[in-house]
Amino acid sequence: KNQVEQSPQSLIILEGKNCTLQCNYTVSPFSNLRWYKQDTGRGPVSLTIMTFSENTKSNGRYTATLDADTKQSSLHITASQLSDSASYICVVTPGGSQGNLIFGKGTKLSVKP
Amino acid sequence: DTGVSQDPRHKITKRGQNVTFRCDPISEHNRLYWYRQTLGQGPEFLTYFQNEAQLEKSRLLSDRFSAERPKGSFSTLEIQRTEQGDSAMYLCASSTQRGTEAFFGQGTRLTVV
Repeated sequence: KNQVEQSPQSLIILEGKNCTLQCNYTVSPFSNLRWYKQDTGRGPVSLTIMTFSENTKSNGRYTATLDADTKQSSLHITASQLSDSASYICVVTPGGSQGNLIFGKGTKLSVKP
Repeated sequence: DTGVSQDPRHKITKRGQNVTFRCDPISEHNRLYWYRQTLGQGPEFLTYFQNEAQLEKSRLLSDRFSAERPKGSFSTLEIQRTEQGDSAMYLCASSTQRGTEAFFGQGTRLTVV
């Protein structure tokens, strides 16, 4: 069964600190992996998208890594800000699928002053 | 503002009633997706259109659910004979083609009482 598992489920950090979120997937074949940020009550917003041939992708203070061999990805947030408080969702597109993005349950990040 | 509009933002309905949601994608996007998200979970795929053709449907899309995209532009999602278990956030997304970024709307939150 195609699955996307994220850890931790929730995380609290102090403003200015760094953190790393994890994503493991069992989706095969695999097309691409995305990280989305979702504020409470709003739609997800894309942060990064990587194909199987890409190992890392940065977007400002966000850096995503991908190891297609071990089927693991991480999202590293540098110098966290209060506005980073949100759910971060890992999303995998199966190879051959047209629209069935498979979402993880997300990691709820809270950044405290 | 992602450019994908959903209407209404919130809907409260009595069990057994029919409801219809609308999604206006980004104008040049030919792909449109519907997802459902319950509290604490990641979005789950419902269905996907390429232009006016509905190419993929999840088993989650029971007979009470129907989606249309008659002119390849906006889409509607109708739920007939709503049940309390239908209470969720219904998200619409659009993209230009597979593998590129999908932009999400703000969602329609449905509450069935």
